[in-house]
Amino acid sequence: GEDVEQSLFLSVREGDSSVINCTYTDSSSTYLYWYKQEPGAGLQLLTYIFSNMDMKQDQRLTVLLNKKDKHLSLRIADTQTGDSAIYFCAESPYNTDKLIFGTGTRLQVFP
Amino acid sequence: DAGVIQSPRHEVTEMGQEVTLRCKPISGHDYLFWYRQTMMRGLELLIYFNNNVPIDDSGMPEDRFSAKMPNASFSTLKIQPSEPRDSAVYFCASSLRGPSYEQYFGPGTRLTVT
Repeated sequence: GEDVEQSLFLSVREGDSSVINCTYTDSSSTYLYWYKQEPGAGLQLLTYIFSNMDMKQDQRLTVLLNKKDKHLSLRIADTQTGDSAIYFCAESPYNTDKLIFGTGTRLQVFP
Repeated sequence: DAGVIQSPRHEVTEMGQEVTLRCKPISGHDYLFWYRQTMMRGLELLIYFNNNVPIDDSGMPEDRFSAKMPNASFSTLKIQPSEPRDSAVYFCASSLRGPSYEQYFGPGTRLTVT
């Protein structure tokens, strides 16, 4: 199937690290993406990882990819209230002309 | 650079009326996508264009929906007649490299059909 799964909610304290998880279905996906959606806004591309990489770091963001388990995670260090949003992972299965988006994880950061 | 531009940002209409949503992609992006987002179904791809030509419209719900791209800088999504179940947020996105690569989204149009 083409289901990309994420947990629906995550609540963290300001200053802690957040880890958002994603399980995708197609091990041949070339690129995997993380998008952020703030209230009333569109999806904003945060970062992506190529399938031949295990990890990618970009300032406070760390993406980990486990191809064997088809598991993708996004770690946000020193989480701030401005990080509160819905986070979507997306995969691009081989031989398809589309991105398959997950259900989204709502991250709530409390003081 | 301006991102993807959509108008209107909010639309409230009565059942049976025609609704037209508009999109201007990022300049130079040859791919344009229309998505619909609802709580129940999440983010759904409706249709996408390459070089102004519709490539995949398999996600268009029914004949009441139509999309056009008369030139590289403008696209419309039309619903006629509109129904309450069409209420959703409609996003336009564009891409430089293709449908399997990074896409850049507009702010969306929140449609409410009463």
